[in-house]
Amino acid sequence: AQSVAQPEDQVNVAEGNPLTVKCTYSVSGNPYLFWYVQYPNRGLQFLLKYITGDNLVKGSYGFEAEFNKSQTSFHLKKPSALVSDSALYFCAVRDGVRGYNKLIFGAGTRLAVHP
Amino acid sequence: GAVVSQHPSWVICKSGTSVKIECRSLDFQATTMFWYRQFPKQSLMLMATSNEGSKATYEQGVEKDKFLINHASLTLSTLTVTSAHPEDSSFYICSAISTSGSYNEQFFGPGTRLTVL
Repeated sequence: AQSVAQPEDQVNVAEGNPLTVKCTYSVSGNPYLFWYVQYPNRGLQFLLKYITGDNLVKGSYGFEAEFNKSQTSFHLKKPSALVSDSALYFCAVRDGVRGYNKLIFGAGTRLAVHP
Repeated sequence: GAVVSQHPSWVICKSGTSVKIECRSLDFQATTMFWYRQFPKQSLMLMATSNEGSKATYEQGVEKDKFLINHASLTLSTLTVTSAHPEDSSFYICSAISTSGSYNEQFFGPGTRLTVL
């Protein structure tokens, strides 16, 4: 079955420190992977995606993610966290079984960056 | 990037009434839109896929007679919650696919918070 796992409900980071938000996936076929961010009472904002090519993907607001096929992971990273990065982050994978355009979301990880 | 709007951004209604939520793609045409529901501190759950000019496809467990979806044009899809009950209170988010972009990327609306009293 196709699925996405975000093992951490919350990640706490001090401002200026590097951050990592973890995501692992299980899909049939080639994975199309996405990261989205959600601020309170707002919709999802696209951060970055991996379709093919370089395993290190750079996205919006200084975020990047590394696709690791052997570990089936797509962790989100940022070298230096900002307080304004505090939000809810979702990893998603394209559902190649039920529908080419459907997304399966992870449970979400709340990032808290402390001053 | 492509912009998707939702109206209203929040709505409060009495139990038993119906509520309509609009989802519009502002600067692109969207043959496919999706409707999600998000409960507090939970992930997005896909409710249905809305295709322009045809009937919506509902996910398992979603009542199609309760959540009416109409995709009348390439820029507008509506979700009507009929005979709303307090358990329908949730955050409803739509997304739209831009057929002009690569890999049919989804663009999300800002969401509509529904509270049923």
